[in-house]
Amino acid sequence: DADVTQTPRNRITKTGKRIMLECSQTKGHDRMYWYRQDPGLGLRLIYYSFDVKDINKGEISDGYSVSRQAQAKFSLSLESAIPNQTALYFCATSDLRDRGPFYFGPGTRLTVL
Amino acid sequence: GQQVMQIPQYQHVQEGEDFTTYCNSSTTLSNIQWYKQRPGGHPVFLIQLVKSGEVKKQKRLTFQFGEAKKNSSLHITATQTTDVGTYFCAGAFGNEKLTFGTGTRLTIIP
Repeated sequence: DADVTQTPRNRITKTGKRIMLECSQTKGHDRMYWYRQDPGLGLRLIYYSFDVKDINKGEISDGYSVSRQAQAKFSLSLESAIPNQTALYFCATSDLRDRGPFYFGPGTRLTVL
Repeated sequence: GQQVMQIPQYQHVQEGEDFTTYCNSSTTLSNIQWYKQRPGGHPVFLIQLVKSGEVKKQKRLTFQFGEAKKNSSLHITATQTTDVGTYFCAGAFGNEKLTFGTGTRLTIIP
């Protein structure tokens, strides 16, 4: 959905570099999530935030950190990138009220050399 | 941890044949959602099932939620080339996070 945007869309970086992936949404949702997609492994949750002051680790948070700068913005950082963090990263949002659909951004394809 | 198993991982069908993907959880789900991801795209919400034994239809797609709320299926009748993609189930365990299945990649042979 254009309502959820991610930057950059593609990034190639080197081992040891710090990198930030950004997500913005105009849906007015309180809840935001970062997922990682690898072939055969589906979508795995890295971090999630239910409001600006709430940050929670997902199942694969090691090596990642996040910042919820505003209701509309949720960024994911790799402090020191390593090759096995090469993946497709998705940001998603959901509405607190209806506990319904997740809306995904277009994804960021990250390659760590 | 809470896991949702999905099978098969891949399915190749002739155009016009039916397709089914299955999801199973070892614990009861509060609801289950289904998503479709086209090649090169992002997951897009299809439907949510909440009630035990619920069946919902969207044109050629039929979604079922098991009586015990531990399993679900998506069935596509008479597949078309537009059905190509990866189908994910995602289960909610009451804590309002979604746990995604590993997905079933559907390819259509014209």
